Amino acid sequence: DAGVTQSPTHLIKTRGQQVTLRCSPKSGHDTVSWYQQALGQGPQFIFQYYEEEERQRGNFPDRFSGHQFPNYSSELNVNALLLGDSALYLCASSFSASVYEQYFGPGTRLTVT
Amino acid sequence: SQKIEQNSEALNIQEGKTATLTCNYTNYSPAYLQWYRQDPGRGPVFLLLIRENEKEKRKERLKVTFDTTLKQSLFHITASQPADSATYLCALDGAGGGADGLTFGKGTHLIIQP
Repeated sequence: DAGVTQSPTHLIKTRGQQVTLRCSPKSGHDTVSWYQQALGQGPQFIFQYYEEEERQRGNFPDRFSGHQFPNYSSELNVNALLLGDSALYLCASSFSASVYEQYFGPGTRLTVT
Repeated sequence: SQKIEQNSEALNIQEGKTATLTCNYTNYSPAYLQWYRQDPGRGPVFLLLIRENEKEKRKERLKVTFDTTLKQSLFHITASQPADSATYLCALDGAGGGADGLTFGKGTHLIIQP
């Protein structure tokens, strides 16, 4: 049973560029949440996707957008990258829009130079 | 504003002893509280969930308490082992009953010394 997978593992981008991160949820899960984790901080909620719609959103600007596909996988897009966007981006999956017992992927380390 | 506080400094415990980690929160009325473990460069791993109407929850060597009056949760690891060394994160559901994601504390770095 595959757990949550994320790609790529690492990414280096330049300020102003755009990036797309990908996530496949754990088998049987239909909900994907995205978090940003800066060094030494806890994960911060970006948004959650369920039934291919953004259900809730944390305090992040519109530069952060996402998508969920019919197979429940998800993408996180960040436009106009800033140096402050450098962080570990975590995808978490769960069932039926809940945040109980979320299963996290290994994350994508994004570095913006 | 809503705030979650965990021991900000590293916690050093001798192997075999009980490690106790604290999570305090303000301006929240969470329906439940979760504890996660995170190893360097990895995603958090779910450990335990405790609901607001539960005082205590146990799982093997782990025990969590939840005091909604004190707005505090304690996380205990008994008979600690060096393999328990990691960062432990406390997480609360948002005001929307969980539909607006989890809010995490900064975590406590636990070091179990042989």
